[in-house]
Amino acid sequence: DTGVSQNPRHKITKRGQNVTFRCDPISEHNRLYWYRQTLGQGPEFLTYFQNEAQLEKSRLLSDRFSAERPKGSFSTLEIQRTEQGDSAMYLCASRTLVYTGNNYGYTFGSGTRLTVV
Amino acid sequence: AQTVTQSQPEMSVQEAETVTLSCTYDTSENNYYLFWYKQPPSRQMILVIRQEAYKQQNATENRFSVNFQKAAKSFSLKISDSQLGDTAMYFCAFMKADRYAGGTSYGKLTFGQGTILTVHP
Repeated sequence: DTGVSQNPRHKITKRGQNVTFRCDPISEHNRLYWYRQTLGQGPEFLTYFQNEAQLEKSRLLSDRFSAERPKGSFSTLEIQRTEQGDSAMYLCASRTLVYTGNNYGYTFGSGTRLTVV
Repeated sequence: AQTVTQSQPEMSVQEAETVTLSCTYDTSENNYYLFWYKQPPSRQMILVIRQEAYKQQNATENRFSVNFQKAAKSFSLKISDSQLGDTAMYFCAFMKADRYAGGTSYGKLTFGQGTILTVHP
């Protein structure tokens, strides 16, 4: 169990450019979540996958955002035509339905910090 | 929809003392879980403690304990014998119980705004 891995850790981009983030979940976790966290705030849910199926998307996920999880393994989150308001930390978490310890299987990655200039 | 409110943006405490962080929530659900997460400056979210709504007994994990008042929809975290390593942002979070969540909200967490806790030597 190597944990949830997110790449890159930091991304600086110019307004209008496209960016893509990657999340590698714990291998046996079939559920994967994306959250967005702006400075000084709590994370907000964006979307979630069960295996390769995207089962829920938040209204926060505008048409410029798209997420995929091909083959139910890693996931990518793409933002097209970035805006300054997209600057935030993007957190990925994965989960199994086998309850381990007291965490109900939830493991977070360290996040990708996006800065749009 | 659920909401979680943390009304204390910042708290501070002296090392070895006790501090309580407040959290209130609003939901029409009867079956759910509540969590306290810690996010140190390194950013990875770490679970501190969790409480199932159906349990009347307050959860305890070493120096961390909660005061869960279901009727009042209150869920506070008490940290005893505070340590310098407890310095972090603390988030209260809500999750519908899996068995009752339905397919589209399975495991989604709703977070509060967070409380920055600083432990002073």
